[in-house]
Amino acid sequence: EVQLVESGGVVVQPGGSLRLSCAASGFTFDDYTMHWVRQAPGKGLEWVSLISWDGGSTYYADSVKGRFTISRDNSKNSLYLQMNSLRTEDTALYYCAKDRLGSGAFDIWGQGTMVTVSS
Amino acid sequence: DIQMTQSPSTLSASVGDRVTITCRASQSISSWLAWYQQKPGKAPKLLIYKASSLESGVPSRFSGSGSGTEFTLTISSLQPDDFATYYCQQYNSYSLTFGGGTKVEIK
Repeated sequence: EVQLVESGGVVVQPGGSLRLSCAASGFTFDDYTMHWVRQAPGKGLEWVSLISWDGGSTYYADSVKGRFTISRDNSKNSLYLQMNSLRTEDTALYYCAKDRLGSGAFDIWGQGTMVTVSS
Repeated sequence: DIQMTQSPSTLSASVGDRVTITCRASQSISSWLAWYQQKPGKAPKLLIYKASSLESGVPSRFSGSGSGTEFTLTISSLQPDDFATYYCQQYNSYSLTFGGGTKVEIK
């Protein structure tokens, strides 16, 4: 079964740091670009970041550029998001998502992990 | 960044209705557009990619069309399982963006 499972979401104070993880299974992880997408409570979807299959290329939304770092470990079939200088507006459910090869769409999503930034 | 504008934001319809949702891009995105369905408490589900390609396993009552800056998602005959929120998403540059969403409610 193709599956993505996120973990690492907690309550953190403004200015704090957090690392999210996403464990992939059921597909050849190192064949695919991977993404992080977030959704604030009651709001729409916001793309956060992407990383190429080999980790050689990374891109970020302007809202997180310079604060978040995406990475992957293909030997562990894992995706990560290092989040620094967290702000209250970063509060959201964070999803990892697999890129549908060659289309730029997300065909597999995890269940999400909740990050709450609050004092 | 490319802005994606969906309309309407809310749509009330009955089972059996034909439903159309529109998504407009602030600049041309060729056919690099996807549509998703999201139900409360669940992750989004891919319906359509490359503007008009139906994802495997998605019922044929869903269809997508358009290119450039204007796109539509059509549900040919609304079913009870289709009441949900729908999002468009562009991938024309390395700054992906979603539309604001369209909630399809029971009339």
